[in-house]
Amino acid sequence: QQQVKQSPQSLIVQKGGIPIINCAYENTAFDYFPWYQQFPGKGPALLIAIRPDVSEKKEGRFTISFNKSAKQFSLHIMDSQPGDSATYFCAARRDDKIIFGKGTRLHILP
Amino acid sequence: DSGVTQTPKHLITATGQRVTLRCSPRSGDLSVYWYQQSLDQGLQFLIQYYNGEERAKGNILERFSAQQFPDLHSELNLSSLELGDSALYFCASSVVAGGAGELFFGEGSRLTVL
Repeated sequence: QQQVKQSPQSLIVQKGGIPIINCAYENTAFDYFPWYQQFPGKGPALLIAIRPDVSEKKEGRFTISFNKSAKQFSLHIMDSQPGDSATYFCAARRDDKIIFGKGTRLHILP
Repeated sequence: DSGVTQTPKHLITATGQRVTLRCSPRSGDLSVYWYQQSLDQGLQFLIQYYNGEERAKGNILERFSAQQFPDLHSELNLSSLELGDSALYFCASSVVAGGAGELFFGEGSRLTVL
């Protein structure tokens, strides 16, 4: 079922750095690409999302870059903070299914 | 607080047993999704219901079943449990089928099979 490949599995970045998480997909029928953030002991929560007709979307310090021809999209976190330490999931939607990547554990060093 | 309630939060049981996980969606949400989260597989989509009807199915095992009741709460039944079924089970809800990508997740039910 794994149709969304996410990398890296884990990432450690110094405070203020720009962590980048990458995802790739194969199914061109996907029409919506959200990113979810999960803190320990909590369920995932929507962070930011993009549609394939847009190449970039920015919300605060979070930016999604989308490359439709390469079937890849990525999350950038500007000026990262220790509070951004969490697990990040990319996802893709087709019809009523929302398929998630395996997640990236991000740790921001103070 | 997402508004989605899952019970129980923790459950420890033995192999071969059967358990039921319960989910109450956000008020007004018609769609319920179930996901299984394990360390090596991330969030695996199991099944989705919309207004009482099954709408989409993932790689849900035959030993697992689910339903959504008229009051929109949902239950996930896991039977003949195996060690490998130990995982965190999440329920999520959204307003409409597909939910425009925004799912509201509960805090999960952690199942440990011994």
